[in-house]
Amino acid sequence: SQQGEEDPQALSIQEGENATMNCSYKTSINNLQWYRQNSGRGLVHLILIRSNEREKHSGRLRVTLDTSKKSSSLLITASRAADTASYFCATDEGSNYQLIWGAGTKLIIKP
Amino acid sequence: DGGITQSPKYLFRKEGQNVTLSCEQNLNHDAMYWYRQDPGQGLRLIYYSQIVNDFQKGDIAEGYSVSREKKESFPLTVTSAQKNPTAFYLCASSIVTGYNEQFFGPGTRLTVL
Repeated sequence: SQQGEEDPQALSIQEGENATMNCSYKTSINNLQWYRQNSGRGLVHLILIRSNEREKHSGRLRVTLDTSKKSSSLLITASRAADTASYFCATDEGSNYQLIWGAGTKLIIKP
Repeated sequence: DGGITQSPKYLFRKEGQNVTLSCEQNLNHDAMYWYRQDPGQGLRLIYYSQIVNDFQKGDIAEGYSVSREKKESFPLTVTSAQKNPTAFYLCASSIVTGYNEQFFGPGTRLTVL
């Protein structure tokens, strides 16, 4: 099945800087979700944005959705060491209620 | 505390053996899922279940089997027919089937020796 694409594959920044990662998808969607995964652990849901929304905030997280470009971005402001993790997007492009997952962006926050 | 538990955390198997991975949730969710994660890749769906006594194949069901006899439990058996079973296995649940927020367990890392 198709898979979403995220870029960059890896991102290393200094603590306190902002981190931006992107997700692209192929067909029309109703919603897009972002998840975080700490190394060797399960995923944690961060935010869901619907196709009729352009921007959504949750704490230091800001997600945008551009349906004309079939892309979404996740911005983490004022990064902290605890933000070091892999970040995945998932869309409802799949059939039979299957989420389609991106390959993830690995974020490293340097102290 | 509500959540999803998976056991064991690490599992080693000899070639030719079947192994069963446990997944239990106390969130009262109807839908449960099993995913496989390989290094540098996204999640791939193995099986999912919408309600008790019902389950459907995902994209990579070959070599795997599941059961859903109780709402709380969704065990995954990795059979000897699975050619490359070494991977990280994640169980998840959601309130109902659909493109909703999914809650994940901590995962089981299976290594075939």
